[in-house]
Amino acid sequence: DAKTTQPNSMESNEEEPVHLPCNHSTISGTDYIHWYRQLPSQGPEYVIHGLTSNVNNRMASLAIAEDRKSSTLILHRATLRDAAVYYCILRRFGSQFYFGTGTSLTVIP
Amino acid sequence: NAGVTQTPKFQVLKTGQSMTLQCAQDMNHEYMSWYRQDPGMGLRLIHYSVGAGITDQGEVPNGYNVSRSTTEDFPLRLLSAAPSQTSVYFCASSSWGNQPQHFGDGTRLSIL
Repeated sequence: DAKTTQPNSMESNEEEPVHLPCNHSTISGTDYIHWYRQLPSQGPEYVIHGLTSNVNNRMASLAIAEDRKSSTLILHRATLRDAAVYYCILRRFGSQFYFGTGTSLTVIP
Repeated sequence: NAGVTQTPKFQVLKTGQSMTLQCAQDMNHEYMSWYRQDPGMGLRLIHYSVGAGITDQGEVPNGYNVSRSTTEDFPLRLLSAAPSQTSVYFCASSSWGNQPQHFGDGTRLSIL
């Protein structure tokens, strides 16, 4: 299964945009890119997913590189509530999800 | 909407005891899975199922059994609890294909 690489931790100031990177150089053509986040003491929560094109929803935007070897989760205006561990996951169609260790985001007031 | 329901929320066991963690979903999802999360770590896949009667192993299946007799339920059985199985256990479900997973609130399990 293709793996992802994320920084262990990042910091952002409150109300500023946050760009969370993810490298997935061994991605295959049928792998979808999923992002989840986990708030302290809670289960993971779906954020966004996509295949090739950039995606937007009410929580975030997903920017996918043209060669699909990397992607960036964009939080447009960080709030204290966005402090969490963010996981970038590749999922082949119909296959299982494998979580890595994620990026721990700290939001500074 | 109930979503994914896990019971119990907390459990303390003694080494060697067995128990079953329950997971139920009311969304008619085909795909269900169990993860464990050790302190400060990411989630690791234990077992998963792509439909009733079909299960398969994930990354860390040793010491755990699963079955899927109905679409709704996917119980996880610890055969003989060991302190190394102290962890938080999450159940998740999703529709077939590439739909997002929905997670339960977790079961916090301590084994003494």
